[in-house]
Amino acid sequence: QKEVEQNSGPLSVPEGAIASLNCTYSDRGSQSFFWYRQYSGKSPELIMFIYSNGDKEDGRFTAQLNKASQYVSLLIRDSQPSDSATYLCAVNDYKLSFGAGTTVTVRA
Amino acid sequence: DAGVTQSPTHLIKTRGQQVTLRCSPISGHKSVSWYQQVLGQGPQFIFQYYEKEERGRGNFPDRFSARQFPNYSSELNVNALLLGDSALYLCASSLSSGGAVEQFFGPGTRLTVL
Repeated sequence: QKEVEQNSGPLSVPEGAIASLNCTYSDRGSQSFFWYRQYSGKSPELIMFIYSNGDKEDGRFTAQLNKASQYVSLLIRDSQPSDSATYLCAVNDYKLSFGAGTTVTVRA
Repeated sequence: DAGVTQSPTHLIKTRGQQVTLRCSPISGHKSVSWYQQVLGQGPQFIFQYYEKEERGRGNFPDRFSARQFPNYSSELNVNALLLGDSALYLCASSLSSGGAVEQFFGPGTRLTVL
């Protein structure tokens, strides 16, 4: 079983819609969770991190964590064409363990 | 403030050769981690250094080695290159080592092994 799994995608959403990205992890002791955005040919860029159960909002992004279900998600509200990228979920226990990523395309 | 810098940007080598990749962390950051990303996959952890000490090593062969210098910059060395070593090599900088610490990536070095 992979440590971190993400919905495979690709995910296509119309401009202005909500994009929902999901991630599950295998280690129940994991405490820190990060979301990175990676444009094609570029390096990952940190979007958000979350440590506590519940929701954390930052602008158009909301991260949700449910440790009992070992589940973390990212919602992108009012999606824009500039949000088209691959989104990487990572568990941080000093080293980052990444999922394979979900590619999002926002249609204008 | 300058972000994480890596050099070179691109590199082409042949099988059996050796390569050295370099990374300078964000000013004030004392930890550097190295990751390998092959096309279509998430980055895979190779090494982490903090205060010039190795803090962790991923599941990579001994052909991979690294070190951190007193100014906190770091080098990743790969010996006896294989075709499968072709990848984007990413350096990540953080204030310290630990789980609840943000890691910021440099632009990466794209290595092609022919």
